[in-house]
Amino acid sequence: RKEVEQDPGPFNVPEGATVAFNCTYSNSASQSFFWYRQDCRKEPKLLMSVYSSGNEDGRFTAQLNRASQYISLLIRDSKLSDSATYLCVVNLFSGNTPLVFGKGTRLSVIA
Amino acid sequence: DAGVIQSPRHEVTEMGQEVTLRCKPISGHDYLFWYRQTMMRGLELLIYFNNNVPIDDSGMPEDRFSAKMPNASFSTLKIQPSEPRDSAVYFCASSWTGRTEAFFGQGTRLTVV
Repeated sequence: RKEVEQDPGPFNVPEGATVAFNCTYSNSASQSFFWYRQDCRKEPKLLMSVYSSGNEDGRFTAQLNRASQYISLLIRDSKLSDSATYLCVVNLFSGNTPLVFGKGTRLSVIA
Repeated sequence: DAGVIQSPRHEVTEMGQEVTLRCKPISGHDYLFWYRQTMMRGLELLIYFNNNVPIDDSGMPEDRFSAKMPNASFSTLKIQPSEPRDSAVYFCASSWTGRTEAFFGQGTRLTVV
């Protein structure tokens, strides 16, 4: 079983739509959780961290369910510029141990 | 501020040739990671360093791969001899103690023909 699993998509949604991505992780001892964004032919960049209490950054909301080992990302009012691949990322231990990446979910927002 | 700098950005080489990828981490960062990205396998960790010391190289696929970090501002990933299945985008990333976020370079797109 892969450590971090995501639906690869693609998700094709119209502008203004709300879209949600989910991710599961296998190691219950995982400590930190993130969503990274990767544009085509670019490097991954941190989008947001994910906390147990849930957190929001503008149109983006991330949730963590430790019991189910499940992470989600909700994007409201999708923009064309949101088109990218969204990578679910887990840090297995505390501190600077390497991040483990899911293979990503591709989103295309269509005018 | 300069981010993580990788060179070359693109490399096309013939099977059997030696390839050297280079990385300059962000100044002050004490962790450096080498990742490889392919469509099939996504982003995979190859090796990481802390204070220039290799900590975990279990992701290095074969003895053909080697990595060094001679000082805090420079690292290399070498493939010798290269094979077509090594074709991928190789990313270098850095971070610093106490911060989990990793900052990525723009990557080196390697094609072995």
